[in-house]
Amino acid sequence: EVQLVESGGGLVKSGGPLSLSCAASGFTFSNAWMNWVRQAPGKGLEWVGRIKSKTAGGTIDYAAPVKGRFTISRDDSKNTVYLQMSSLRTEDTAFYYCTTGGFYFEFWGRGTLVTVSS
Amino acid sequence: EIVLTQSPGTLSLSPGERATLSCRASQSVSDNYLAWYQQRPGQAPRLLIYGASSRATGIPDRFSGSGSGTDFTLTISRLEPEDFAVYYCQQFGSSPFTFGPGTKVDIK
Repeated sequence: EVQLVESGGGLVKSGGPLSLSCAASGFTFSNAWMNWVRQAPGKGLEWVGRIKSKTAGGTIDYAAPVKGRFTISRDDSKNTVYLQMSSLRTEDTAFYYCTTGGFYFEFWGRGTLVTVSS
Repeated sequence: EIVLTQSPGTLSLSPGERATLSCRASQSVSDNYLAWYQQRPGQAPRLLIYGASSRATGIPDRFSGSGSGTDFTLTISRLEPEDFAVYYCQQFGSSPFTFGPGTKVDIK
């Protein structure tokens, strides 16, 4: 059974950093392309970024609102993908979901809430 | 960036009725790279359809997707109580991958 478990969410002040982790199991993580998708409370879904598998080049793509502030990385030895966030803004407040898939998102974690206060 | 518009915003129906949800793209979605997701309250989204018409693993056959180019449809043939939820379309034909604003299907 595929499991994705996000952690690291919490309350942070505007301008500060926060790092999220997503621990994966139930599939061959090293072959998987992984994404982060976020959802502001009561709002719609927004793709944040994607990291390809190392065999596919390990390329990382970001959505424009987070480019230059967020960094996605992976540790295949730990079956974990990370989202390092810096210069956080109040509009970054959201549930952050880890998902599998190169283009569409087949499996999702339960999400972790990031709240950015002013 | 491809902008997706979904209609209606809310669809009020009774169990057993047919639901037809629309997703329109601001430009053609290459290779019909369009997906649909269901999100129940308090839960993560769940993949229903990918490639415009292919059902994801474990998805009941009352869910079907159709369309091409800029116009896509998700049909739920007979609504079950667990189908009352929010539905999102998403295009993956070009980066950035974008979602529609969602259609809420609620109980009439």
